[in-house]
Amino acid sequence: DTAVSQTPKYLVTQMGNDKSIKCEQNLGHDTMYWYKQDSKKFLKIMFSYNNKELIINETVPNRFSPKSPDKAHLNLHINSLELGDSAVYFCASSQGSAGEQFFGPGTRLTVL
Amino acid sequence: GQSLEQPSEVTAVEGAIVQINCTYQTSGFYGLSWYQQHDGGAPTFLSYNALDGLEETGRFSSFLSRSDSYGYLLLQELQMKDSASYFCAVRYNFNKFYFGSGTKLNVKP
Repeated sequence: DTAVSQTPKYLVTQMGNDKSIKCEQNLGHDTMYWYKQDSKKFLKIMFSYNNKELIINETVPNRFSPKSPDKAHLNLHINSLELGDSAVYFCASSQGSAGEQFFGPGTRLTVL
Repeated sequence: GQSLEQPSEVTAVEGAIVQINCTYQTSGFYGLSWYQQHDGGAPTFLSYNALDGLEETGRFSSFLSRSDSYGYLLLQELQMKDSASYFCAVRYNFNKFYFGSGTKLNVKP
């Protein structure tokens, strides 16, 4: 059983389009995250979502919006895609004060 | 803000011991984590230090000195499969983590 899953694994789209990436965790964790990893492998946190509290990294453009239908899911919706959005997006989850995060397999987004 | 410094690349031979250092500056501090990431893969958790001292997990150990804002990951008995990128990450808020730029470890026969 996959602990943290993401779909799709690859996403190729045109500039200006709107797309969503889905994430699900079956670990019963209370906090979920979205990270962006650029071509230089720098991992940057975009959002964390805990008990319906959304914490947004202030540098994330408002074209990005997380949506959590329930505790096990945190989807990422991106409007008006730009070339600079091309990256690998990772979903992750953690529980309470534990320092361990479980990462999903990643979604490679390519904007043409 | 937050900043982390770790070497960009380290090379070692199979069977050797390697230490990857991480120094940080942060406005808040809850703990320091280490992750391994193979090319094309996802980061996987290695260790977490919230208190000063050494944590050992098999061939991997992690150390933290909060007074020095410094930590390191020690990998012993290196194997070819340990070739990967290693990230330190500071937890500066209960739900906020800041990752370093990663250290690429090359293990040679």
